[in-house]
Amino acid sequence: EPEVTQTPSHQVTQMGQEVILRCVPISNHLYFYWYRQILGQKVEFLVSFYNNEISEKSEIFDDQFSVERPDGSNFTLKIRSTKLEDSAMYFCASSPQISSNSPLHFGNGTRLTVT
Amino acid sequence: GENVEQHPSTLSVQEGDSAVIKCTYSDSASNYFPWYKQELGKGPQLIIDIRSNVGEKKDQRIAVTLNKTAKHFSLHITETQPEDSAVYFCAASGMNRDDKIIFGKGTRLHILP
Repeated sequence: EPEVTQTPSHQVTQMGQEVILRCVPISNHLYFYWYRQILGQKVEFLVSFYNNEISEKSEIFDDQFSVERPDGSNFTLKIRSTKLEDSAMYFCASSPQISSNSPLHFGNGTRLTVT
Repeated sequence: GENVEQHPSTLSVQEGDSAVIKCTYSDSASNYFPWYKQELGKGPQLIIDIRSNVGEKKDQRIAVTLNKTAKHFSLHITETQPEDSAVYFCAASGMNRDDKIIFGKGTRLHILP
C-alpha cells in the first residue's frame, strides 16, 4: 500500500538555524498538510496546500514557516529561524480529496529538536 | 473555529473488556468525524470515521456513535486485545475545501493482561 514518507526521522538543530523537513506524499493525492505534535499533546494543524498554493494556515504558521512543492513529488516545510518551542514531531499528510471527503494519510513524522 | 474535547486522557482496561472514549465538538457545521490510532513512533492512522448523516457505524470490534444534537461522538472498542494499546485521537471537520481536521488531545489506552 502506498504511504507518505518523511525525512529525516530525527533532526537536531541549534536555535536560530533554518531547517527543512521533507515529505513525499502519496503520488495521486492532491491535498497536502503539515501538522505538529508537541510531546504528549494533541496533533495541531499548521497548513494545508492545494493546487500549488496554501489553502489555509493556523496562527502557529507565522512568517518563520513556509511550504513548497518544488517538483511533482516532494512537499517541504521550512522553518527559517528555529526557536526552542519549535521542538515537536512534525507530520506530513496527504489525501486525494478535501479532508472532509477522504481520510488523511500521515507519514511517520520528523522529530525536530531545537537546542 | 472548531474545538474538540476528548476524555479520558488515559484509560486502562482489562484485556477482553470494552473501552469507550468520548469527544465533544463546538462547531455545529462540522459533519465529518474520523478517529485515528497512533502507535509509538508512528503517525496517526485512520481506524474509523463517521459522517453526520448517520448515527452509528461499526467495523468488527470498533464502533463509533454520533449525537449531532448534543455534539458528542464516541469510540467503542469491544473485546480489547494487547495490540489495541495506543493513543487514540478523535477529530472533526467540515465540508468546505478549506476545512481542516481538528484533533482532540488524545487518549492513551492501556490494555492490561
